[in-house]
Amino acid sequence: EAAVTQSPRSKVAVTGGKVTLSCHQTNNHDYMYWYRQDTGHGLRLIHYSYVADSTEKGDIPDGYKASRPSQENFSLILELASLSQTAVYFCASSELGGDTEVFFGKGTRLTVV
Amino acid sequence: AQRVTQVQPTGSSQWGEEVTLDCSYETSEYFYRIFWYRQLFSGEMVFLIYQPSFDTQNQRSGRYSVVFQKSFKSISLVISASQPEDSGTYFCALSEPSMSTGGNNKLTFGQGTVLSVIP
Repeated sequence: EAAVTQSPRSKVAVTGGKVTLSCHQTNNHDYMYWYRQDTGHGLRLIHYSYVADSTEKGDIPDGYKASRPSQENFSLILELASLSQTAVYFCASSELGGDTEVFFGKGTRLTVV
Repeated sequence: AQRVTQVQPTGSSQWGEEVTLDCSYETSEYFYRIFWYRQLFSGEMVFLIYQPSFDTQNQRSGRYSVVFQKSFKSISLVISASQPEDSGTYFCALSEPSMSTGGNNKLTFGQGTVLSVIP
């Protein structure tokens, strides 16, 4: 069974502080993604990556950076956390070409105070 | 620009009934896929089924099937014999893995439909 593991599962951060959300996959997938979900809404793509040491902007990249140091690991970085970044963040992975499902982690609930 | 719309914010059914959840989308790509996910109350995303645009056959997986109306850019998820455990939020999502996007599965999600199955 494919696995995407996120850490931490929840976090409270201070406005203006730096936050790093981590994601690890054991699927041997090329693609990894970071999504954000606001209460009562669908997921929106922040950043994605198709190879180590390279990241691409998604639909809502402002205020976020991403890092893919290896095929297995993909981090989302909030350099200066803001109240508006309070949300649930999901990491996901998929194969190249992707004629299969996209596998999601269980999410990280981030609260910025 | 991609857009996915789920016009039913909520839905309900009685135990054993068939449930239909609707989704419409916009795309200019010839090749795309529509995914259906269910979000559990814990927040976990569970894959249900997907429909590739090139396949004229409606996909089926267990109690889940889709009704794909490509010309109308519409797709419905059908859950047969609904059970209380099917309650949750259902998301429709569009993927356009064309050469220009590198063949990836970037997903554009709809707003979701919250389904309640009453015992």
